[in-house]
Amino acid sequence: AQSVSQHNHHVILSEAASLELGCNYSYGGTVNLFWYVQYPGQHLQLLLKYFSGDPLVKGIKGFEAEFIKSKFSFNLRKPSVQWSDTAEYFCALDKAAGNKLTFGGGTRVLVKP
Amino acid sequence: DGGITQSPKYLFRKEGQNVTLSCEQNLNHDAMYWYRQDPGQGLRLIYYSQIVNDFQKGDIAEGYSVSREKKESFPLTVTSAQKNPTAFYLCASSIGGQYNEQFFGPGTRLTVL
Repeated sequence: AQSVSQHNHHVILSEAASLELGCNYSYGGTVNLFWYVQYPGQHLQLLLKYFSGDPLVKGIKGFEAEFIKSKFSFNLRKPSVQWSDTAEYFCALDKAAGNKLTFGGGTRVLVKP
Repeated sequence: DGGITQSPKYLFRKEGQNVTLSCEQNLNHDAMYWYRQDPGQGLRLIYYSQIVNDFQKGDIAEGYSVSREKKESFPLTVTSAQKNPTAFYLCASSIGGQYNEQFFGPGTRLTVL
């Protein structure tokens, strides 16, 4: 069975710092990959997704992620964070032609003003 | 206004009682999902349904039941057999098929006393 690992459970950084959140998965076949974000008191929403093509994908609010197949990774990055990026971030995997997502444990990010 | 609604936002029940959580969507999506969110464990799939009158168990189905009699509705019953029912429950929907971007509702926080 597939699994998703997010090694950082909590990240604290200051505004304008760069952010990188790790996501590794275990599954040998073709995958679709997602990053979701849950802002305090809000719905879980999609940040970005990778289905195929360019392994560097750009999402909303200045986020991007890079799919590195050889490393089974899909790390999330943002060059300069803002206080409003305080949230919990989830990486998720879907086997291509599959029908259900497998989520990582999440990373809580706190951006200090 | 399209979206997913879950009611109520907060729910309290006594131990030993069954409780049903509501999930409705007006996105005309074929697939619907129920997840349970616990701190540090991310989202875990309880049940999912790809089409009306059909549903499958997810990773943690024990102690839960669902029905899918209408396309727009996917209620979840937390039975007295669920050993640790206190959690945050999220409902999601998607078009289904290969590109499984899921849209989430606001969630219901269930507390069993």
